[in-house]
Amino acid sequence: GAGVSQSPRYKVAKRGQDVALRCDPISGHVSLFWYQQALGQGPEFLTYFQNEAQLDKSGLPSDRFFAERPEGSVSTLKIQRTQQEDSAVYLCASSLGYVSSYEQYFGPGTRLTVT
Amino acid sequence: ELKVEQNPLFLSMQEGKNYTIYCNYSTTSDRLYWYRQDPGKSLESLFVLLSNGAVKQEGRLMASLDTKARLSTLHITAAVHDLSATYFCAVERGAQKLVFGQGTRLTINP
Repeated sequence: GAGVSQSPRYKVAKRGQDVALRCDPISGHVSLFWYQQALGQGPEFLTYFQNEAQLDKSGLPSDRFFAERPEGSVSTLKIQRTQQEDSAVYLCASSLGYVSSYEQYFGPGTRLTVT
Repeated sequence: ELKVEQNPLFLSMQEGKNYTIYCNYSTTSDRLYWYRQDPGKSLESLFVLLSNGAVKQEGRLMASLDTKARLSTLHITAAVHDLSATYFCAVERGAQKLVFGQGTRLTINP
């Protein structure tokens, strides 16, 4: 079946613009995660959903970052008033369940460049 | 705060040689993951290590976990060029949240 998909794959935004990044998890996957990967670094956790409930948003770097998953499937990560330091690859991952035994599957990522 | 450290961060080796990548983490966790990332691509899961003493092998790669030492190793045997990539270890920190190491960029030269 289809894997995790993300769109757009590439986004260039001028500083101060708002952006919205979309994640389509694997069908039936309960858990959804967003990670931010800066150039040359490992991914860093941003936020986690279990169905439509956002259970952890401790990794969101500022109140300019907002994520939602209103129907428990597709998720959107929104960044308001983008800054240059927001330039990174944003990875989405999903897993079948909500306990540790379920593996996370990663999407291809959205590369955001803020100019 | 859970910290995950990999070494080396950069590794250049010749085909046919063996080498090991190390992953140390700072607090107790019983689950450790190894991922591969090719340039411009997403993360590909290699191994999930679930318990102390776990060892898994796939082709020329073998991963092990020592939870008492808080150490995992990824051993490469008789390296081939196709294994050139960046390798990440990640440790679970509650409810499936993963904390990643910095990555080891592996280059295998003919």
